[in-house]
This record gives sequence, structure tokens and C-alpha cells, in this order.
Amino acid sequence: DTGVSQNPRHKITKRGQNVTFRCDPISEHNRLYWYRQTLGQGPEFLTYFQNEAQLEKSRLLSDRFSAERPKGSFSTLEIQRTEQGDSAMYLCASRGGLAETQYFGPGTRLLVL
Amino acid sequence: AQSVTQLGSHVSVSEGALVLLRCNYSSSVPPYLFWYVQYPNQGLQLLLKYTTGATLVKGINGFEAEFKKSETSFHLTKPSAHMSDAAEYFCAVSSSGGYQKVTFGTGTKLQVIP
Repeated sequence: DTGVSQNPRHKITKRGQNVTFRCDPISEHNRLYWYRQTLGQGPEFLTYFQNEAQLEKSRLLSDRFSAERPKGSFSTLEIQRTEQGDSAMYLCASRGGLAETQYFGPGTRLLVL
Repeated sequence: AQSVTQLGSHVSVSEGALVLLRCNYSSSVPPYLFWYVQYPNQGLQLLLKYTTGATLVKGINGFEAEFKKSETSFHLTKPSAHMSDAAEYFCAVSSSGGYQKVTFGTGTKLQVIP
């Protein structure tokens, strides 16, 4: 059990550029979550996958955001036309079957200049 | 709908003193409750959780929390603070069914004074 991994760990980009983050969940965890954490706040839910199906999206996930989990394993989160307000830590978590606990990755810290 | 309120964004204790971090929740269904710890520039690590059964739950690093339904509280305690406990602590709630998305509080930064 190698834990949840996220890449890259840090990303600096210019406003208007597109960025993509990757999350590799714990193997055999069929449930995957994305959260966003801004400075001084707790993480906020963005979206949820069960296997490859995206079953819930927060209103925080604007049209510029898209998430995929094509084969029910890793997931990507893409932000198009980044804005300075997108600067945050993006956290991925996974959960297996009927277990109650979500296990979090180390996060990707995005800075939009 | 669910929400979490953490009282005190910053708490300072002396090394060896009692740690008490307060958390109140709101949930329309029986909740699952969690405490996570976050060290700088790292993800969240689960300290402990309450799902069902015994209301006093013990976690890692000597922490424990008690679920009090009548008070809608889930306060985190540790009898004796250690320097390594300095971190940010998040209380969280999820539903016991459905997608179990987690709603977090705004966090409490714990400072331990030598």
C-alpha cells in the first residue's frame, strides 16, 4: 500500500495558461475525491468519482475545470485559462469499498502569477 | 446538509500541558466524524474517527476525542502536549451513506511553547 500520490507537487504558471494535475489513488480504491484548499481554510470538496464515473461536482468546479478518471484508476484535474484566484492546494483522496476513511495525497500547490 | 465549526483558529499550549481543540458539527443524518492533522506543505493525515459504537475514540500520537450527540460536539484532546504536535488540525464530518464527501472545518493551528 503505497498511499495516494499526486504530481506535480508544485506548479507555477502564468494567468491564462492551462494546467493539469494527476492523482494516483491507493490501488484498488474505487472512490476518488478532489478537494481545493486555500490559505487559512479547510479543504473544500470539488468532485467525486466512483470507478470511472464522475458522480458529483461542486458548484466550485467552474466550466474552466474538468476532471477525468478514464480507466477507474488515476485521475486528472485540468484547469483552463487559469486565474489568480485558482491559486490553492489541490488535494486528492481515495477510499475503498465500504470503508469510511478517505486517504489524502500530499497535494499539488498551484501558484498563478 | 452538514457543517463543522472549529472554535479558535489558533491555540497555544505549553509543552506538557493539556491540548483541547473544539469542534461542533451539524448534520441531518447520522454523521461520521474525523480529525485530521496537516503539517506545513503536506497533505492530511487521519488522527482518529468516529463511525458507530463507543463514543470515546482513541487515535494516533496519544490523541482522543469524544462524540457527544446531545452537544453535537467532537472535541479533540491530548493529556500532554509535545513539541511535535505543532501543526494544523481539521475536524471533519461526512454522511454515513451516499458519496460520503467530507466537509471540513476551517482548522485550528496548534502552537506548543517550550
